[in-house]
Amino acid sequence: AQKVTQAQTEISVVEKEDVTLDCVYETRDTTYYLFWYKQPPSGELVFLIRRNSFDEQNEISGRYSWNFQKSTSSFNFTITASQVVDSAVYFCALRNSRGGATNKLIFGTGTLLAVQP
Amino acid sequence: DAGVIQSPRHEVTEMGQEVTLRCKPISGHNSLFWYRQTMMRGLELLIYFNNNVPIDDSGMPEDRFSAKMPNASFSTLKIQPSEPRDSAVYFCASSFSGQANQPQHFGDGTRLSIL
Repeated sequence: AQKVTQAQTEISVVEKEDVTLDCVYETRDTTYYLFWYKQPPSGELVFLIRRNSFDEQNEISGRYSWNFQKSTSSFNFTITASQVVDSAVYFCALRNSRGGATNKLIFGTGTLLAVQP
Repeated sequence: DAGVIQSPRHEVTEMGQEVTLRCKPISGHNSLFWYRQTMMRGLELLIYFNNNVPIDDSGMPEDRFSAKMPNASFSTLKIQPSEPRDSAVYFCASSFSGQANQPQHFGDGTRLSIL
């Protein structure tokens, strides 16, 4: 069975603090893909990043960075020097590589990040 | 570039009425997904089309729900008759192909309230 766990329901930080959003996944597949999405208060879902299971290289994009560790089945997301505009619900998601009907994008329950000014 | 376009953004209607949600995927994308988001169940995949053909509709709650994709640039999700428990945000997403590594790009969603 596939599962994505985001244990942090809500996180509140003050602007300029660094914050890490945790994501732990379960899958029996050897090839799979991990994603992060952002849902700001306006409600849309915005794709942030995709990571392949065979590529454990960490990634940095501006203030955002992602730490993928297969050994702990984690794909954590860090925001450096947080800003009020980062306030949103962040979803981690998993999809296996098999085609057809079993190939669903499995979402975690999301982490609500509130950045206070 | 235009993203996934959904309409209406908000819909309020009385139970028993027919509701039709519309989606225009990103041009060139051949996979389309309908999701429902609720506080209780989070994001759930309802149905998935590839090249206009439904591939997986196992998430469609019941026969009151139906989805069509008559062409590559348009899809509808219909609820008939609607019930209060159908109240949710419905998202449409599209991807370049049905391959698992392709990110799904979401529309702004339709916030549906059934009174």
